[in-house]
Amino acid sequence: QQQVKQSPQSLIVQKGGISIINCAYENTAFDYFPWYQQFPGKGPALLIAIRPDVSEKKEGRFTISFNKSAKQFSLHIMDSQPGDSATYFCAASIPAGQNFVFGPGTRLSVLP
Amino acid sequence: DTAVSQTPKYLVTQMGNDKSIKCEQNLGHDTMYWYKQDSKKFLKIMFSYNNKELIINETVPNRFSPKSPDKAHLNLHINSLELGDSAVYFCASSQKPRISGGNYNEQFFGPGTRLTVL
Repeated sequence: QQQVKQSPQSLIVQKGGISIINCAYENTAFDYFPWYQQFPGKGPALLIAIRPDVSEKKEGRFTISFNKSAKQFSLHIMDSQPGDSATYFCAASIPAGQNFVFGPGTRLSVLP
Repeated sequence: DTAVSQTPKYLVTQMGNDKSIKCEQNLGHDTMYWYKQDSKKFLKIMFSYNNKELIINETVPNRFSPKSPDKAHLNLHINSLELGDSAVYFCASSQKPRISGGNYNEQFFGPGTRLTVL
């Protein structure tokens, strides 16, 4: 119930392409779904987040799509750039929860 | 300007030793965390402290003990180190979650401490 599943494990995309990473959860009490970006040798940093009262959130080239009934959410990176090459983690949290459950991560490589 | 800092960045030690990792945040947050990231990049919470009180203590060996002298610091002590403790340890902090709006419960991570047990 506390798990967050994430796929694919790794992703290779050409520069300018669209990167899509998918996550799924079971616990319907989750109400906050952030995506974190981690570069090698660095700590994860918040990229974009969504609450379940909206189905989509866009910030620049990054978009979260949220499907509450399917308990799935995904990250879309438009016009992917080599600088986007990093590991991406989806996560989920319960209301007022300070405990995040992280997905296993997706290693994205954007080829020049 | 560093928001969440950790020392040391690298720690190499022998099995059986006792070591500590320090963490400090200057964001004024009231909640701090320790995470372990293994070689496969899996990120798992170990401890969470709110206002110097332990909130979350996931199933970790009692060789690991967090200590929070004040709201801005959360140190991790590890006794009798084992090979399997080798990992990157991240400290993080957040403000007490708000019920509505904003980057609800955003966690800010430190740069990590790579622990290698030989």
